[in-house]
Amino acid sequence: DVKVTQSSRYLVKRTGEKVFLECVQDMDHENMFWYRQDPGLGLRLIYFSYDVKMKEKGDIPEGYSVSREKKERFSLILESASTNQTSMYLCASSGQLSSGNTIYFGEGSWLTVV
Amino acid sequence: DQQVKQNSPSLSVQEGRISILNCDYTNSMFDYFLWYKKYPAEGPTFLISISSIKDKNEDGRFTVFLNKSAKHLSLHIVPSQPGDSAVYFCAARPLNTGGFKTIFGAGTRLFVKA
Repeated sequence: DVKVTQSSRYLVKRTGEKVFLECVQDMDHENMFWYRQDPGLGLRLIYFSYDVKMKEKGDIPEGYSVSREKKERFSLILESASTNQTSMYLCASSGQLSSGNTIYFGEGSWLTVV
Repeated sequence: DQQVKQNSPSLSVQEGRISILNCDYTNSMFDYFLWYKKYPAEGPTFLISISSIKDKNEDGRFTVFLNKSAKHLSLHIVPSQPGDSAVYFCAARPLNTGGFKTIFGAGTRLFVKA
């Protein structure tokens, strides 16, 4: 069974704080992703990584950065949290997508910025 | 501009009847279409997919139909069960992005009444 674990389920942070969201997967997947989910907007891709130390911008990277120092771990960083970053954040991982593999999601991290 | 649209935010169905969830897309350059299911406080889980070269794929109670000329995708659940109550996301994988930039619809919340 694929396991994608997000270390924090619920966080409340203040505007301007630096926020780290951590994610670990146990399936030796090459690819990892960070999405945010907002009502009426579905899931939007923030960043993804296809290898250690490699990262690519998704559709909404502004205000975020990521780090992938180890294959199993992918961190999302909010350098200076703002209220419009209040959202549910979903980490995901996958094997080779060209082979039709699907994306496996973690349980999500609810972030509230006050 | 959303390329994958789920125009019905919610759907209510009686147990035992058919649930039909719809999805429209505006770009012809997708190679796979997928459906994910999401329970509250959990991450989305993969349900079923269809290649753009097919028009139907079936897995137990779940069938996905693809109408390329209409750029329309639908998920049929027969018979519907109360445990199917969840949010369903339609997703599409663009060609030439290696599958990384899957686009998700806004979701449809299905209620199955006992």
